[in-house]
Amino acid sequence: DMQMTQSPSSLSASVGDRVIITCQASQDTRNYINWYQQRPGKAPKLLIYDASNLQTGVPSRFSGSGFGTDFTLTISSLQPDDIATYYCQQYDNLPPGTFGPGTKVDLK
Amino acid sequence: EEQLVESGGLLVQPGRSLRLSCATSGFNFRDHAMHWVRQAPGKAPEWVSGINWNSISLGYADSVKGRFTISRDNAKSSLDLEISSLRREDTAFYYCVKDAFNFWSGGRFESWGQGTLVTVSS
Repeated sequence: DMQMTQSPSSLSASVGDRVIITCQASQDTRNYINWYQQRPGKAPKLLIYDASNLQTGVPSRFSGSGFGTDFTLTISSLQPDDIATYYCQQYDNLPPGTFGPGTKVDLK
Repeated sequence: EEQLVESGGLLVQPGRSLRLSCATSGFNFRDHAMHWVRQAPGKAPEWVSGINWNSISLGYADSVKGRFTISRDNAKSSLDLEISSLRREDTAFYYCVKDAFNFWSGGRFESWGQGTLVTVSS
């Protein structure tokens, strides 16, 4: 079965900081990686699909990159509204919804 | 605006059964595969089951195969999940999720409901 890892598991950053979260897949997933944001007490929300495509309505400070097994989610300038847990998810292999363990982002 | 509203979650004893429902609006339901994704408190989401737009193809996680049954009614824009032989490890928020594609193996979860909590405890 596909395994996903993320690092770091948590981070603290200041408003305006650049934040980078990495995701690694145990097998080649080509570019079939999505990124989700989950604010406390809310459902996950799709941010990035196919590794680098911004979902409609998502602010442009979010971006994604990567191919194969290594991927990154970048927040170019952290805002208070970005405090959340971020998950990567692969959908190249079945089952379609293998998620990473998450990265919790807090304000310093 | 797209809406997905789950219902049916409650406190239930191990071994019992439960039916979750999801009412949707604001999009063309029959054009999309649908899924149930669950999330235990403090854990990552876990895909549970998916169904193609036409109900012909279904998929289940190994952890629920044989106990969970997914179904949909395109005329009513609704999705159901029948859960039997509940286990303590089934305790989680259960989310109704819309796929960007019309086949369940698509796996791009583009809209989520607010979730319904299932607690399995004696």
